[in-house]
Amino acid sequence: GAVVSQHPSRVICKSGTSVKIECRSLDFQATTMFWYRQFPKKSLMLMATSNEGSKATYEQGVEKDKFLINHASLTLSTLTVTSAHPEDSSFYICSAPDRGRPYNSPLHFGNGTRLTVT
Amino acid sequence: EDKVVQSPLSLVVHEGDTVTLNCSYEVTNFRSLLWYKQEKKAPTFLFMLTSSGIEKKSGRLSSILDKKELSSILNITATQTGDSAIYLCAVEPNSGYALNFGKGTSLLVTP
Repeated sequence: GAVVSQHPSRVICKSGTSVKIECRSLDFQATTMFWYRQFPKKSLMLMATSNEGSKATYEQGVEKDKFLINHASLTLSTLTVTSAHPEDSSFYICSAPDRGRPYNSPLHFGNGTRLTVT
Repeated sequence: EDKVVQSPLSLVVHEGDTVTLNCSYEVTNFRSLLWYKQEKKAPTFLFMLTSSGIEKKSGRLSSILDKKELSSILNITATQTGDSAIYLCAVEPNSGYALNFGKGTSLLVTP
């Protein structure tokens, strides 16, 4: 079935560095990609919605300059955490709808990226 | 503002028990309600419910949607330790729009 591939699955970086997370749709075109963040023992919070060929839409409270989103093609969306700080440590996960899916099919999730900033 | 509320927030049961997890929602333009199981990584899809009153079943798990009450339940019978996880309820407001997640129910099944 359709799959969203996300990598890296785990990354440890130092404060001040930038980290790029990639999500690829493997057998469908993802014109839209949703980026979520999850703190320990908390639910998934939507950060932003990326659309191929246009600017991402960010949720209230999410810094655009901090979390750069690029949706370069119909199969690739990236999230770059710039100048990372320990408070950015979290679980980041992407999700994409398959526009060609049958009505009763769910969205597809990547496997998530565990970011630890030291 | 769209809202998804799950209860209980956490639950501890013994192996073999039956559990019922609840999810209620307030969203505009409802399309579907989904249940996911999350262990240490990405959520795993369990059920997608679009029609009221039709039970979906998969092994020991079952779920049903009540559009009149704006709620859904997830039942797990004969629980096993491997059922220990966070169970997330999410509502999809429109085709292709982002899911609104509840806070989840943390289930612990003890031997």
